[in-house]
Amino acid sequence: ELKVEQNPLFLSMQEGKNYTIYCNYSTTSDRLYWYRQDPGKSLESLFVLLSNGAVKQEGRLMASLDTKARLSTLHITAAVHDLSATYFCAVAISSPYSGGGADGLTFGKGTHLIIQP
Amino acid sequence: GAGVSQTPSNKVTEKGKYVELRCDPISGHTALYWYRQSLGQGPEFLIYFQGTGAADDSGLPNDRFFAVRPEGSVSTLKIQRTERGDSAVYLCASSAQGNQPQHFGDGTRLSIL
Repeated sequence: ELKVEQNPLFLSMQEGKNYTIYCNYSTTSDRLYWYRQDPGKSLESLFVLLSNGAVKQEGRLMASLDTKARLSTLHITAAVHDLSATYFCAVAISSPYSGGGADGLTFGKGTHLIIQP
Repeated sequence: GAGVSQTPSNKVTEKGKYVELRCDPISGHTALYWYRQSLGQGPEFLIYFQGTGAADDSGLPNDRFFAVRPEGSVSTLKIQRTERGDSAVYLCASSAQGNQPQHFGDGTRLSIL
């Protein structure tokens, strides 16, 4: 059974600081996704990571993937209040049903991030 | 463009009743997914459709839960004999083929009294 663990689960930080959220998963996977969720809202796709060593950046967020360590990180640079949200990582395993295509995702519990002005 | 649409946005019903939740995916997306999310948790996978067929229903918790997608577009999640533990936000997502991200709807908040 695939397990996805995020840490920390809660993080309060000040604007201007840097921090990293970690996502570990238990089984070899070929796809990892990061999503953002604002309170009472649905999930917004941030990054798709498909290969070992993949690095994606958008604004103050940067995500990376190490498939050998089964670890992904989401790094926040010079945080601003607008980045306050819950961040989820999610892992896909190709099932025998899909033939290597789209599959259901296993999500972590999420990291609830509060950035204080 | 139009995103994933889910109706109703909220549903309150009594224990033991039957409910149907509807999902209208992004036009052209062949893959459709149902998840449910409890407070403070990540979404939990329920079922995945590729076209009209359920490609993976391993996440459905028991036989009270059933989903259909008869024409390969709109999907309905059906829950029979609802229980209080079924209360959650039910999320639908769709994606294009391959490794494209799943795009989520706003969800249906289901409350079983």
